[in-house]
Amino acid sequence: DQQVKQNSPSLSVQEGRISILNCDYTNSMFDYFLWYKKYPAEGPTFLISISSIKDKNEDGRFTVFLNKSAKHLSLHIVPSQPGDSAVYFCAASSYSGAGSYQLTFGKGTKLSVIP
Amino acid sequence: KAGVTQTPRYLIKTRGQQVTLSCSPISGHRSVSWYQQTPGQGLQFLFEYFSETQRNKGNFPGRFSGRQFSNSRSEMNVSTLELGDSALYLCASSPVGGASTEAFFGQGTRLTVV
Repeated sequence: DQQVKQNSPSLSVQEGRISILNCDYTNSMFDYFLWYKKYPAEGPTFLISISSIKDKNEDGRFTVFLNKSAKHLSLHIVPSQPGDSAVYFCAASSYSGAGSYQLTFGKGTKLSVIP
Repeated sequence: KAGVTQTPRYLIKTRGQQVTLSCSPISGHRSVSWYQQTPGQGLQFLFEYFSETQRNKGNFPGRFSGRQFSNSRSEMNVSTLELGDSALYLCASSPVGGASTEAFFGQGTRLTVV
């Protein structure tokens, strides 16, 4: 049972336009959500996060929106740049006991920004 | 500050063999987690270590094991390798592993089982 879903395996956007990446989750115990970006042959790098008590967090060109009632979050990139082309992973954090928090990842969305 | 270092970067093993992968976390980070990434799959959680103790384990068979040393460096071991174990194995470190603490990932070890 996949608890974090990214239903779009890929997305193509023109340079300068907005990129919107979506993520749905099923576990209401998730209390923090994170987005990671991954280039080929590199490990994922942290991009932006949001607490479950907020509905928006912004960092430069990146904004994450959280809709708890719909169990849905989205990452907006404005304006999109060719260097944003990468695989984006949505991740959700939950307490696993013994002081441990576990990240559950979606399968990723490959973003291609076309010059 | 040096990032998370994983060795080796690439590995080819034969079915039935065992393999050990190494991860050196960022200095000062005490939590180390391991993930498996296979084509078409997201990152799947293997286990987390904190202060030399396994705090959490994912849904993987007992062939997958790990340990953490007093300097926070971690190793994971896979015994009796199967073809399906071919994957990118990623290690991530964080200061204490709290909910809001983003994990810093290494470049991964690409394991191919033939």
